Amino acid sequence: QVQLQESGPGLVKPSQTLSLTCTVSGVSISSDIYHWSWIRQHPGKGLEWIGYIYQGGRTYYKSTLKSRVTISVDMSRNQFSLKLTSVTAADMAVYYCARDNPADYWGQGILVTVSS
Amino acid sequence: DIQMTQSPSSLSASVGDRVTITCQASQDISNFLNWYQQKPGKAPRLLIYRASKLETGAPSRFSGGGSGTDFSFTISSLQPEDIGTYYCQQYDSPPYTFGQGTNLEIK
Repeated sequence: QVQLQESGPGLVKPSQTLSLTCTVSGVSISSDIYHWSWIRQHPGKGLEWIGYIYQGGRTYYKSTLKSRVTISVDMSRNQFSLKLTSVTAADMAVYYCARDNPADYWGQGILVTVSS
Repeated sequence: DIQMTQSPSSLSASVGDRVTITCQASQDISNFLNWYQQKPGKAPRLLIYRASKLETGAPSRFSGGGSGTDFSFTISSLQPEDIGTYYCQQYDSPPYTFGQGTNLEIK
C-alpha cells in the first residue's frame, strides 16, 4: 500500500527557509515511472503545483518559485524533500507531497505558517 | 505555462441530477488531463486520469471526456457524498497547472 507522509516545522519565521520531508512507503522512490511532486494550497484557495523530482534527481520547478525552491531525494531513506528560501506570508499554505504523473497518491498535507 | 480555465466556479444541484464541469486548456494538451475531488481538510483524490480513465476505486458515476483543449467531467447521478471541490489539472508539460476549482453543493 502506497503511503506518503509530510513532516517538518509548522511554523517558519519570515525570511527563513521552509524545509519539509516526504516519507514514502509501499513503493520505491527510485522508480523511473513516477514523478515525486510538491503541491501547495493557500488558505481557502486552489492548488498550486510547485515542482517535481524524478529519475533519481531530475527536477522541474514552477518558474515563479524557481529561484527559491529546491527539491531533493534521499533514496536510502525513500524520502524526498522541499526547501523554500526567503519565505514570506505569501508562502503560508498547506503543503502536499504526491506521487505524480498523475498524482494518484498524496500525503495528508502539512500546514506551514509564516510568522515571527 | 499552460492555463486551465475551469467552469463553473460553483454549482448547486439536487441529488440524482446530472452534473457537468468543463475545463479548457490554453493550448493542446492531448489527453493529459486529470480530475480531482477535494473535501474540506483533506488531500485531493484522483478520480479521472488521461481525460477519461476512471481511477481504481472511483465510483462509476464519474466520467470524463475530451481531448486537445476542451474537456468535461460528469457525475451521472449526484450523490450527497459528492459535495466538495473539483479540480482539473493538465500534465502534458510542466508546470502541471490546475484549474481554479468548482465548488459543488447539494440543493
